[in-house]
Amino acid sequence: DTAVSQTPKYLVTQMGNDKSIKCEQNLGHDTMYWYKQDSKKFLKIMFSYNNKELIINETVPNRFSPKSPDKAHLNLHINSLELGDSAVYFCASISGGQETQYFGPGTRLLVL
Amino acid sequence: DAKTTQPTSMDCAEGRAANLPCNHSTISGNEYVYWYRQIHSQGPQYIIHGLKNNETNEMYSLIITEDIKSSTLILPHATLRDSAVYYCIVSRSGGGADGLTFGKGTHLIIQP
Repeated sequence: DTAVSQTPKYLVTQMGNDKSIKCEQNLGHDTMYWYKQDSKKFLKIMFSYNNKELIINETVPNRFSPKSPDKAHLNLHINSLELGDSAVYFCASISGGQETQYFGPGTRLLVL
Repeated sequence: DAKTTQPTSMDCAEGRAANLPCNHSTISGNEYVYWYRQIHSQGPQYIIHGLKNNETNEMYSLIITEDIKSSTLILPHATLRDSAVYYCIVSRSGGGADGLTFGKGTHLIIQP
């Protein structure tokens, strides 16, 4: 069974559109994250979410908003998509008692 | 979290040991050294971590110098499937609220 899953795997959309990426983990972890990997392959933290507490990386535009319907899910909604949003987005999770993060397979977003 | 410095790329012959160095000269005594690998834009995978002592698991060894300012990840018998980007990360808790700070990593190329 997949520990951390993301949908969709690929997403191609037009500039200005609004889109959502979904993440689910079946590990019972307490904290979930969204990371962005750009075309230069730099992997950067965007958000962490733990027990309804959201920590936002200050460099993330407010067009990006994470939403967590329950502990196992952390979705990422993006408004008014821009060309620079094209990247691979990874979801990850970690348990409070663990020291390792589990990453999803990534969502490849292409904005045209 | 302390910064890390890794070589951009390394080559290793298949079947030989691959030794990946990491410098973390500003590390503090309560920070762990984590290693993750990323195979061709898949999600990063945890490999191993250590605090001050050397660590070994089924596939890898982590050697940390006595002054904890540098470490080496060892793949004892590299295979073609070990070709990936390897990230050395320093963190107090494996991520916590701030997530992991990824550098550029080392692109390990296993030659047949």
